[in-house]
Amino acid sequence: NAGVTQTPKFQVLKTGQSMTLQCAQDMNHNSMYWYRQDPGMGLRLIYYSASEGTTDKGEVPNGYNVSRLNKREFSLRLESAAPSQTSVYFCASNLGEGGRGKLFFGSGTQLSVL
Amino acid sequence: EDQVTQSPEALRLQEGESSSLNCSYTVSGLRGLFWYRQDPGKGPEFLFTLYSAGEEKEKERLKATLTKKESFLHITAPKPEDSATYLCAVQEVYNQGGKLIFGQGTELSVKP
Repeated sequence: NAGVTQTPKFQVLKTGQSMTLQCAQDMNHNSMYWYRQDPGMGLRLIYYSASEGTTDKGEVPNGYNVSRLNKREFSLRLESAAPSQTSVYFCASNLGEGGRGKLFFGSGTQLSVL
Repeated sequence: EDQVTQSPEALRLQEGESSSLNCSYTVSGLRGLFWYRQDPGKGPEFLFTLYSAGEEKEKERLKATLTKKESFLHITAPKPEDSATYLCAVQEVYNQGGKLIFGQGTELSVKP
């Protein structure tokens, strides 16, 4: 049972390049999330999907787009990367009905934008 | 605005030296308070959920407690393998989708 799987683990981009971070969960969870983690800032929510077919903005959505491809997969896209998007990105999922319950996290993607 | 503040930012202990980490929170209504452990280069790993004031949870050398304004993570006789960053997060009653609001974390280092 893999849990939450993120790809890639590391990525270096030049300013203006685009890329998509992939996330998949095999726990049949309804809700999925994208967080970024920066030193001294804690984990901040970028976007989330409460259920298949829905997506909503979190605390720091600017410069990002998301797609809930199906119940298992939730991708994060950077259309034109900026140095301010250098960060560690975590995908998470949640089983709980109505959004209750703990989040399960992937192992993260370390992104550097030069 | 919902807020979560953890203190201290960093804590250095000798093996066996017990201490506590603090998590203060401000939310409209608390659905749950979560503690996670994060090792370098890895994603957060779930430790505890607390739902109401007065509740306590224990796991090995860790004990989490909850009041109406804060939570404590007590570490009794820590070992070097307890070294990690400990994250506190809250889930608010009225939010949609179960998202968590995190504090900045406390980086714990336990020296032998």
